[in-house]
Amino acid sequence: RLFESGGGLVQPGGSLRLSCEGYGFTFRTSGMSWVRQIPGKGLEWVASISADSGGTYTADSVKGRFSISRDNSENTLYLQMNGLRADDTAMYYCAKLGGFAVLNLELDSWGQGTLVTVSS
Amino acid sequence: QSVLTQPPSASGAPGQRVTISCSGSSSNIGSYTVDWYQQLPGTAPKLLIFANTQRPSGVPARFSGSRSGTSASLAISGLQSEDEADYYCASWQESRNGKYVFGSGTKVTVL
Repeated sequence: RLFESGGGLVQPGGSLRLSCEGYGFTFRTSGMSWVRQIPGKGLEWVASISADSGGTYTADSVKGRFSISRDNSENTLYLQMNGLRADDTAMYYCAKLGGFAVLNLELDSWGQGTLVTVSS
Repeated sequence: QSVLTQPPSASGAPGQRVTISCSGSSSNIGSYTVDWYQQLPGTAPKLLIFANTQRPSGVPARFSGSRSGTSASLAISGLQSEDEADYYCASWQESRNGKYVFGSGTKVTVL
């Protein structure tokens, strides 16, 4: 029900925009998040956004470089990634929150992920 | 280093009970509810337990969660071979800009 795209190989300092399309649920009333995972390592929360884009939350590790946004008319979530570094290399998952807002809500549905590799 | 502390591994024979701990602080588990995720090899994570004790539809009753103070636990009763996976606890954390923190993950092996 969640399909990510936009990953790939990018040079250090470059930019990428990830997209995540949602199907089979009411996208415009669901908060959304991005979570990443370095291959073989644990999960790291990246960013979250409320259903109406009124609240956005970003991890300190990517603040100022990554921004989360959404287009409810297109049922699509975005992650704009600028100033990419080697340690941003990871699988990036899109996930749906269990309600309209963000705080104290769980990630109740996940996409299959899109791989981002930052290397020269 | 993860904000939430989990043991790196746990194991049990089929049919046994396995418990995974998750230790946090007053700014995360002590203030917000705890969620648990299961990640089978080569797949995306899946929500297993939310709001400390709630199971989403489709999650078997052998999975249960609890929270006490600044710690939480996930129990798997009647362990099955298909339960071999990585398990992560998670909770929101108080900060100027709210953030969601994950545990370091626990690899469960079925002997």
